[in-house]
Amino acid sequence: AQKVTQAQTEISVVEKEDVTLDCVYETRDTTYYLFWYKQPPSGELVFLIRRNSFDEQNEISGRYSWNFQKSTSSFNFTITASQVVDSAVYFCAACSGGGADGLTFGKGTHLIIQP
Amino acid sequence: DAGVIQSPRHEVTEMGQEVTLRCKPISGHNSLFWYRQTMMRGLELLIYFNNNVPIDDSGMPEDRFSAKMPNASFSTLKIQPSEPRDSAVYFCASSPPVGGSYNEQFFGPGTRLTVL
Repeated sequence: AQKVTQAQTEISVVEKEDVTLDCVYETRDTTYYLFWYKQPPSGELVFLIRRNSFDEQNEISGRYSWNFQKSTSSFNFTITASQVVDSAVYFCAACSGGGADGLTFGKGTHLIIQP
Repeated sequence: DAGVIQSPRHEVTEMGQEVTLRCKPISGHNSLFWYRQTMMRGLELLIYFNNNVPIDDSGMPEDRFSAKMPNASFSTLKIQPSEPRDSAVYFCASSPPVGGSYNEQFFGPGTRLTVL
């Protein structure tokens, strides 16, 4: 079983600021996967990224970047030069190895980008 | 390509009534998941199927909840009798066969259930 903690309930920043969303996970599995999903006001869940426990390389996709550190059990998400369209609830999630297991989600961080 | 299809999108019912939520996974996917989202508990896994067989139903809250997957293209989540605390958004997700690494789960748009 996994546990995912997103300590930041809500973050509000002004447009163009950088913002980092924190995610801390707990697991006893040696093989596991970590995810970030975005839930805009319309309500759908949008997949952003998946990382497996053997790949600690950071990843950058446009304005988005992810920092995975096994030493601190963290998988943080940074948005550079934030935009109003980034306003959403962001969820971090985890699952164990095996490939067809359900996801354990954190409580989510509500990100508000003010114009 | 059609994504995961859920119906109805919105359901309003009265306490004590039976509610049936439906899900059509993406063609070719062999894993199906039901999640529930509430303000209090967040997103939680209720049950998931692999090749139409229930694998883990430990997240199903009570005996009032039941789920079936009679074939690879259809699943139902039934609540009988419904209670106001069942009000939530119910998401269905599917994923393709495992091919050496974890596969992404594709989520449907959700069904917003309100029990009065």
